[in-house]
Amino acid sequence: AQSVSQHNHHVILSEAASLELGCNYSYGGTVNLFWYVQYPGQHLQLLLKYFSGDPLVKGIKGFEAEFIKSKFSFNLRKPSVQWSDTAEYFCAVNAGSGTYKYIFGTGTRLKVLA
Amino acid sequence: ETGVTQTPRHLVMGMTNKKSLKCEQHLGHNAMYWYKQSAKKPLELMFVYNFKEQTENNSVPSRFSPECPNSSHLFLHLHTLQPEDSALYLCASSQEAGEWNEQFFGPGTRLTVL
Repeated sequence: AQSVSQHNHHVILSEAASLELGCNYSYGGTVNLFWYVQYPGQHLQLLLKYFSGDPLVKGIKGFEAEFIKSKFSFNLRKPSVQWSDTAEYFCAVNAGSGTYKYIFGTGTRLKVLA
Repeated sequence: ETGVTQTPRHLVMGMTNKKSLKCEQHLGHNAMYWYKQSAKKPLELMFVYNFKEQTENNSVPSRFSPECPNSSHLFLHLHTLQPEDSALYLCASSQEAGEWNEQFFGPGTRLTVL
C-alpha cells in the first residue's frame, strides 16, 4: 500500500537556524508531491507542490523542496527559520494517473524559539 | 465568507445520537472531500465527490454517511458512532478531483463521541 513517512515528529529550532524536514513515500510510479502547513489556529494550506520539471521547487515564505526520485524523497528546506514558521507541516503524495487519493504523512510539529 | 467553512466547529455527541457536519466552499470548485484527522495518525481520506458524484469511499463504516446536494455543499451524517470516531473532521475542496489540483481545507469540526 502507498504510504508517506515523516520521520521527524517534533523539531525545535532557534531563529535563523536552517530547517530540513524529511518526507519519504512508497510508490513506484509517477507521483505528485505536496507540502501543506498548518499554523496555530489556522487551516491547512498549501506551501508548495511538485508535478514535473525542475525537481527543486520553491514555495511561499522562502520554503523549498527537492524531489529525489531515486530516494523516493521530497524534503522540505528553509535556510533560515523565523518564529512565525512555528507550525505543523504535512507532506502529501498523489499517485498520479487519475487517482483522487491523496496520502498524507503524520506531520511534523516545528517550534521556532525566538 | 471566503474559502471553505465548516460547522459546527466543535461537537460532542453520545453514541446513540444522530448529528450532521456541514461544509461549504465559496471557491467555485467542483470537488469536495472529507478527511479524518486523529492524533498521531496521518490524515485519512474518507470520501470524495466530483461534480456531485461520489468517486471515492475509502472503506468508511456505514455509520458515516456523506451527502453532496450541490458542488458547494457537503454534509457528513453521523449515527451510532463509537468513541474511537472522536477526531478532527476536515473538509476540503479543489477545482476538480484529480492529481493536478491543490486542495483547500476548512478549519475542521472537532468531534467527541462519549
